[in-house]
Amino acid sequence: DTGVSQDPRHKITKRGQNVTFRCDPISEHNRLYWYRQTLGQGPEFLTYFQNEAQLEKSRLLSDRFSAERPKGSFSTLEIQRTEQGDSAMYLCASSLATTGNNEQFFGPGTRLTVL
Amino acid sequence: GESVGLHLPTLSVQEGDNSIINCAYSNSASDYFIWYKQESGKGPQFIIDIRSNMDKRQGQRVTVLLNKTVKHLSLQIAATQPGDSAVYFCAENIVQKVTFGIGTKLQVIP
Repeated sequence: DTGVSQDPRHKITKRGQNVTFRCDPISEHNRLYWYRQTLGQGPEFLTYFQNEAQLEKSRLLSDRFSAERPKGSFSTLEIQRTEQGDSAMYLCASSLATTGNNEQFFGPGTRLTVL
Repeated sequence: GESVGLHLPTLSVQEGDNSIINCAYSNSASDYFIWYKQESGKGPQFIIDIRSNMDKRQGQRVTVLLNKTVKHLSLQIAATQPGDSAVYFCAENIVQKVTFGIGTKLQVIP
């Protein structure tokens, strides 16, 4: 399967713990995005990378959240000192930067439950 | 994003009929629009897109209409099938950032 993959698919953690999620984009895609989706709502943009550079961060991304894409391939999203309000589906998407459209391909997501 | 509560708008359609899902967007600077389909437990899947210099685009069984005057987007699905049951989101693209609208749940009645 050459689509976007995310790991783990599900994560249950206790409040106050740190969690890290991984995203592997489609191999030739140079842009990588993180979104958060809560029940009944559309995905909300968190941040995106072009190659290894993090170009934009949403105000939703508090200082407990950090994302990296060290070699311009896979990315990690870490949440420190998790809170119950962090419970959501975390989606990763990738795209190939062109002068035209920005078609993003989404992964299956990581569902986080904070107890 | 907007707060839309836990209850998505729902459209129920008989199998074989055409479906029309509507969406209003807010930013007149948006230059690219996308429709996504999201099935339960999966990430959004690209269906069709349209640039702001177009008012209609057709794909296989799907058509997107864009009315920039009233900032309205619609997705038409011809001959709706049970596999079309999902939540559909419109999204607007502004400078590489995609903003999703309110989803619509499509239920296909066999």
